[in-house]
Amino acid sequence: GENVEQHPSTLSVQEGDSAVIKCTYSDSASNYFPWYKQELGKRPQLIIDIRSNVGEKKDQRIAVTLNKTAKHFSLHITETQPEDSAVYFCAASPPSNYQLIWGAGTKLIIKP
Amino acid sequence: DSGVTQTPKHLITATGQRVTLRCSPRSGDLSVYWYQQSLDQGLQFLIQYYNGEERAKGNILERFSAQQFPDLHSELNLSSLELGDSALYFCASGGGAAYEQYFGPGTRLTVT
Repeated sequence: GENVEQHPSTLSVQEGDSAVIKCTYSDSASNYFPWYKQELGKRPQLIIDIRSNVGEKKDQRIAVTLNKTAKHFSLHITETQPEDSAVYFCAASPPSNYQLIWGAGTKLIIKP
Repeated sequence: DSGVTQTPKHLITATGQRVTLRCSPRSGDLSVYWYQQSLDQGLQFLIQYYNGEERAKGNILERFSAQQFPDLHSELNLSSLELGDSALYFCASGGGAAYEQYFGPGTRLTVT
């Protein structure tokens, strides 16, 4: 079955710098890749997603890139701000069901 | 607000007891997913229902069970509770054709 690995587990960046979180997946048939942001004690919120027929998607300061050949996808956050501090989860969805297979999460710390 | 509601928000109970967590999906969503999140841990998928039928099972203990009713709300029953069951329990809902999952605010269960 599908397996998703997420790196790094913790990422600390200076405010204003960029942050990149990477996920790799094992099932080449997976075709949907969302990213969720979870602030402390709150629910995970979908912030951006990408489907396998697209290589890159942007929404203001965040972007996701997908490399189907290498089976990895990345979240890019530019001009980081204190409110970007949170845990970020990636996921992949094999086409055989409507489940999401989750990465272990990345704790992003924005240093002032 | 994701449109997914969960009750209760907090629950404190003793070991050996049984509790029921409730989830109402977004209007129009047919799928309900249940997740467990222990302190500083990732999202552990428990079970998925689609239009009243169980569709997928994850790492759900035999002491736990769930169902989805004709009005599409779902209940997660946890019995013979142990200290290790203390966690945040999230439900998420999604449509049948899309893969997006939208999370409710969660129920924080504390077993003493």
